[in-house]
Amino acid sequence: AQSVTQLDSQVPVFEEAPVELRCNYSSSVSVYLFWYVQYPNQGLQLLLKYLSGSTLVKGINGFEAEFNKSQTSFHLRKPSVHISDTAEYFCAVSETQPQGGSEKLVFGKGTKLTVNP
Amino acid sequence: KAGVTQTPRYLIKTRGQQVTLSCSPISGHRSVSWYQQTPGQGLQFLFEYFSETQRNKGNFPGRFSGRQFSNSRSEMNVSTLELGDSALYLCASSLEYWGSPLHFGNGTRLTVT
Repeated sequence: AQSVTQLDSQVPVFEEAPVELRCNYSSSVSVYLFWYVQYPNQGLQLLLKYLSGSTLVKGINGFEAEFNKSQTSFHLRKPSVHISDTAEYFCAVSETQPQGGSEKLVFGKGTKLTVNP
Repeated sequence: KAGVTQTPRYLIKTRGQQVTLSCSPISGHRSVSWYQQTPGQGLQFLFEYFSETQRNKGNFPGRFSGRQFSNSRSEMNVSTLELGDSALYLCASSLEYWGSPLHFGNGTRLTVT
């Protein structure tokens, strides 16, 4: 079974500073990796995904993430954050060949990013 | 294209009652998944439906059930509500290829008193 660990539950940063949100996963098989963002009183929105190919993945709103297979990590980065990036961010993993023909997305506990002026 | 629609947005129920939540997926999406989100447990997978069949189920008691209709719309039902069932219930739809990302609705906030 897969599991996801988001190492920081809260990350405060100042506007225009860089940020990295850390994510490590555990799985005995190949995985797909995702980052989602959740704004208050809303559902989750896909930021980016890694399915295969280049390990550096670019997403929406200037975010990017790098897949590191040897370290089983998929950290999310942004070089300069804005106030509007304040939200909760979730890392998620699914198996590439799930048994039973059904994918199940497993989420981390989330990281609350607060961008201060 | 319209997104995933969940109704109602908010619900208040008392212990012992039952509740039904509704989800309309994005047009063309035949897979619908349900998640429970709480501050303590985070996002937990409830079940996934595809073409009216439950393909996968999480570790929730039998009080939690769901179904999917021929138009891919889905409902989930919780019977004999407990205080611990208070949560945000999120529905997500996706296409049927491996790695297809989930598209989430805004959720139904259920409060059990």
